[in-house]
Amino acid sequence: GESVGLHLPTLSVQEGDNSIINCAYSNSASDYFIWYKQESGKGPQFIIDIRSNMDKRQGQRVTVLLNKTVKHLSLQIAATQPGDSAVYFCAERAQNTGNQFYFGTGTSLTVIP
Amino acid sequence: DSGVTQTPKHLITATGQRVTLRCSPRSGDLSVYWYQQSLDQGLQFLIQYYNGEERAKGNILERFSAQQFPDLHSELNLSSLELGDSALYFCASSVWGTAQETQYFGPGTRLLVL
Repeated sequence: GESVGLHLPTLSVQEGDNSIINCAYSNSASDYFIWYKQESGKGPQFIIDIRSNMDKRQGQRVTVLLNKTVKHLSLQIAATQPGDSAVYFCAERAQNTGNQFYFGTGTSLTVIP
Repeated sequence: DSGVTQTPKHLITATGQRVTLRCSPRSGDLSVYWYQQSLDQGLQFLIQYYNGEERAKGNILERFSAQQFPDLHSELNLSSLELGDSALYFCASSVWGTAQETQYFGPGTRLLVL
């Protein structure tokens, strides 16, 4: 099956600092990636996506970087706020796996006020 | 609020029993996805429906089944429940069910099998 792993299961940052959450994937045929945020007791919430023909994509306070050479994905959150505390998942999709999404187990981000 | 609703929010039942989880997609979405999330695992894709028809199947057990009705709501049926079926079950929806669409997730149903 697919392997979508996260380097760090937990991450603590000071409020106002930047956060970087990493994700490794194993399928070189993956062509679409999404970052989700999941707060306690809630379902995953779409944050940002990126297609394999891009290296970087920016949203509001978030940036996703894709390095296809080493099959690595990262989510950067600028000026982290207490409301950013949540579990963050990366998900990958590849046509050679029936276009299903495979999700990592998640990184828990805690923002220290 | 994603616009996807799921009921019930919590469900406690015993081994061997059968339960039905319900999902209403966002208004206008034709495709529904079901996922299972265990404590030590990421989201596992179970099954996808589009406009009433099964479109894709993931790691769904034979004891589990699902359907999507004409009004586009979906039900996930879990039978002969085992302790290991305890998990969060999420429903997600998208407009066309295509590969590069954003899926919007519901709040989930937390199932506890005792």
